Amino acid sequence: NAGVTQTPKFQVLKTGQSMTLQCAQDMNHEYMSWYRQDPGMGLRLIHYSVGAGITDQGEVPNGYNVSRSTTEDFPLRLLSAAPSQTSVYFCASSTGLAGGDTQYFGPGTRLTVL
Amino acid sequence: RKEVEQDPGPFNVPEGATVAFNCTYSNSASQSFFWYRQDCRKEPKLLMSVYSSGNEDGRFTAQLNRASQYISLLIRDSKLSDSATYLCVVNRQGGKLIFGQGTELSVKP
Repeated sequence: NAGVTQTPKFQVLKTGQSMTLQCAQDMNHEYMSWYRQDPGMGLRLIHYSVGAGITDQGEVPNGYNVSRSTTEDFPLRLLSAAPSQTSVYFCASSTGLAGGDTQYFGPGTRLTVL
Repeated sequence: RKEVEQDPGPFNVPEGATVAFNCTYSNSASQSFFWYRQDCRKEPKLLMSVYSSGNEDGRFTAQLNRASQYISLLIRDSKLSDSATYLCVVNRQGGKLIFGQGTELSVKP
C-alpha cells in the first residue's frame, strides 16, 4: 500500500493564480481531511469529508474548495492564491475519529505564494 | 483562547530524563483524544490514543482528566530518538480534529 500520497511536494504560485493540490489514499478510508500548518499555529483543519459525496468545513475554509467524488481522492483547490496561503498542507485519512482510529498523513505540500 | 493549548516549550532534557507534557482543551463535548509526534518538516504520526482510564505504551504514559479537561503525556527514560514535536489532538464532536500548537522536545546526550 502506498498509504496517503500528495502531489506536488513543492509549489510556487503568484498571487491570484489557482491550483489544485492532489491527495489520494489506497486504504479504503471513509474519512479524509486537509490541514494547513503554519509556524507556531499547529495544524488547522481546512475541510474534511466523511465519505464520497460528503464534505464539510473546518476551522479555516475560506479561499479553499474541496470535492469527494470517490473514496480514494480528495483534492483541495485554491481559488485565487494569496500570500496568506503560504503554508505546508497535509492531507490525512482514517477509518474514523474514535479512540484508536489512526489518522494517516501524507508527506505534505509546501506552497509559497508570491 | 485556543481550543487546544499545550506547553509552549521547547523542552531540553538529558538522555534518561523523565519529561511531562500538558494539554488543556476547552470544548467539553470533545469525544476522543490523541498524542501525535511530528519530526522536523515531516508529517505527523500517531503516538497513542488517550483513554479515560489512562494508558501506557512502553516508556510513554497518557492520562486524561475529563473533569479538568486536561491531557498529559509522560515520557520516561528519554532517548535521543524521542526528539520531536508532540501534538495534542482532540476530536471535537462532529468530526473535527483540533490540534494544539505542539511542544518541541530536544533530548541531549
